[in-house]
Formats: sequence, C-alpha cells, structure tokens
Amino acid sequence: QKEVEQDPGPLSVPEGAIVSLNCTYSNSAFQYFMWYRQYSRKGPELLMYTYSSGNKEDGRFTAQVDKSSKYISLFIRDSQPSDSATYLCAMSPNDYKLSFGAGTTVTVRA
Amino acid sequence: SAVISQKPSRDICQRGTSLTIQCQVDSQVTMMFWYRQQPGQSLTLIATANQGSEATYESGFVIDKFPISRPNLTFSTLTVSNMSPEDSSIYLCSVNRGLVAFFGQGTRLTVV
Repeated sequence: QKEVEQDPGPLSVPEGAIVSLNCTYSNSAFQYFMWYRQYSRKGPELLMYTYSSGNKEDGRFTAQVDKSSKYISLFIRDSQPSDSATYLCAMSPNDYKLSFGAGTTVTVRA
Repeated sequence: SAVISQKPSRDICQRGTSLTIQCQVDSQVTMMFWYRQQPGQSLTLIATANQGSEATYESGFVIDKFPISRPNLTFSTLTVSNMSPEDSSIYLCSVNRGLVAFFGQGTRLTVV
C-alpha cells in the first residue's frame, strides 16, 4: 500500500465548475499538508499549506484536512482554464521529508 | 519562497552516457534535495545534499548511479550515470523554507 494515494484522473470540468481533489494517507504521524500545482513542463509550485486538521481558504481555493479519516481535499471554485494543471498533494510528519501523491491532472474546458 | 534555476531544462541522451544537472538557488540553504518524477508516479526523493558532507541517499538510490556534488550553499549538481531508458524521467531540484518545499522547473531527460 502506498503511503499517499491520489486518484490520477484525468478530471475534465467545464469552466465555472467546482473541482474537487483528494488524497488519502496511511501514516498517522503526518501533520503538515500541502497542495502543489504543476503546469506542463514546469516544476511544482506551492498552492496551499495547512497544519493538522481543519479548513483553510485562499481566494478560490479551499483545503480541508480530516486527520481522523486520514483524508485531505482541495476545492477549486469557479474554475478557470488557467487552472488546468496537475495537482499534487504532499504531506510530512515534522521534518523536511515530504511524501507525495501521484498527482491528478485537471482540465478546465472553456 | 525561493528562486531555483535548473539546467538543462531537457535533454535527449544515448544509453550508457552520463548527464549532469545543475541547480542554483537565489539564497544560501543548508539542504538541497533531488527528486525524480516518473510519468504517473509520485515525486520520489533521490537524495539530500548537504554542503560539506556526503549526500544522503534514499532507499533504492546509490551514489555510483546518482553522484551529487554540493560545493557551496547555493549550488548543487546531480549526475545520472551510465544511463538506460529506465532513467527517462523528470529530475527536480528542491529547497525547503521551513517544512515547505520549493522546486526548480525540472530537467526532462529522455534516454534513447
């Protein structure tokens, strides 16, 4: 079993729709949770960063962490074609080593 | 954040040869990280490069195959040695700010 599981998609949605992405994990020591966005031929860029359980909102993006279920989510509201990318979840216990999901490829159709 | 410059951005290499990837950071950092990103798979940490000491390799990666240099606090190189088609992948340099990782744009390597 992989330490972090992420549905690779692909996910295709019309412009303006809500995009819902999620990851599950097995290591209960994870405390820090991140979402990265990766455009084609680019390196991953940090999108959201949360600590422990709860919600965090930043503009059109909302990250949720449910440690009891070992489940994290990212929601993108009012999706735009520019949101088309691969989204990676990542998590860490309390050190520099991150465990990544395989990434979900999202296409937002104009 | 961190500005990380990585080169080359892509290369096509013959099997049996070696490629050295360079990574330059805009500020001094203690640790630099090298990842591999294979299609459809998670980013996998290859090794951690500390200035002034040997790199620390993760399980499944060895120094003979992936030698790393770290001559100063802003620069590192990763060499992919004796390449085979299985080494075709994206290689990423990374640094941390706290517990958050920042990445270079990656090197897309194709071995033919």
